[in-house]
Amino acid sequence: EPEVTQTPSHQVTQMGQEVILRCVPISNHLYFYWYRQILGQKVEFLVSFYNNEISEKSEIFDDQFSVERPDGSNFTLKIRSTKLEDSAMYFCASVGQGYNEQFFGPGTRLTVL
Amino acid sequence: AQTVTQSQPEMSVQEAETVTLSCTYDTSENNYYLFWYKQPPSRQMILVIRQEAYKQQNATENRFSVNFQKAAKSFSLKISDSQLGDTAMYFCAFITNDMRFGAGTRLTVKP
Repeated sequence: EPEVTQTPSHQVTQMGQEVILRCVPISNHLYFYWYRQILGQKVEFLVSFYNNEISEKSEIFDDQFSVERPDGSNFTLKIRSTKLEDSAMYFCASVGQGYNEQFFGPGTRLTVL
Repeated sequence: AQTVTQSQPEMSVQEAETVTLSCTYDTSENNYYLFWYKQPPSRQMILVIRQEAYKQQNATENRFSVNFQKAAKSFSLKISDSQLGDTAMYFCAFITNDMRFGAGTRLTVKP
């Protein structure tokens, strides 16, 4: 069964460093998403991506964040200068035609020290 | 604003019994999808059940069923014959252009 994959599973970084979180969505899917979940809190929408551009973004997704689909398979989330409060679980998700179910990846746990 | 409210932060149930988790939402859209996701301690997001807003019939998936009341914007999850493996956080969510999640309900199934 096709699945969304994410790498790394756990990333530890120093405050102020750049991180890139990687996702490989399901191959024929068209819509891609990033979500964040701070420990013990709810899942928060960050950004959606369709047709090689951002279609929606939340207030959390400020200038420190960017997304890219560099090669038609990977979907990346970059945080330019990480802050302590960026520590969270980051989930990637993708949606195919019909737009009725998001398939979530296993998440990347980001720890900013 | 599109919001999802789960008013029960924690619930518990005895194994083999039935439990209902509540969820209400607010949207001005007419076409949308509703979901319940399970998040075990591994923190992976696992789809439990899905409901299309245009369908009046309540979705069922084995021991899981929903009570979807569109006019009331209510979408509760019923778990029958609860099992120890059902212990997890449960998130209600709906999607229009993006997906919004409730704050979650921590369900504990007791032996």
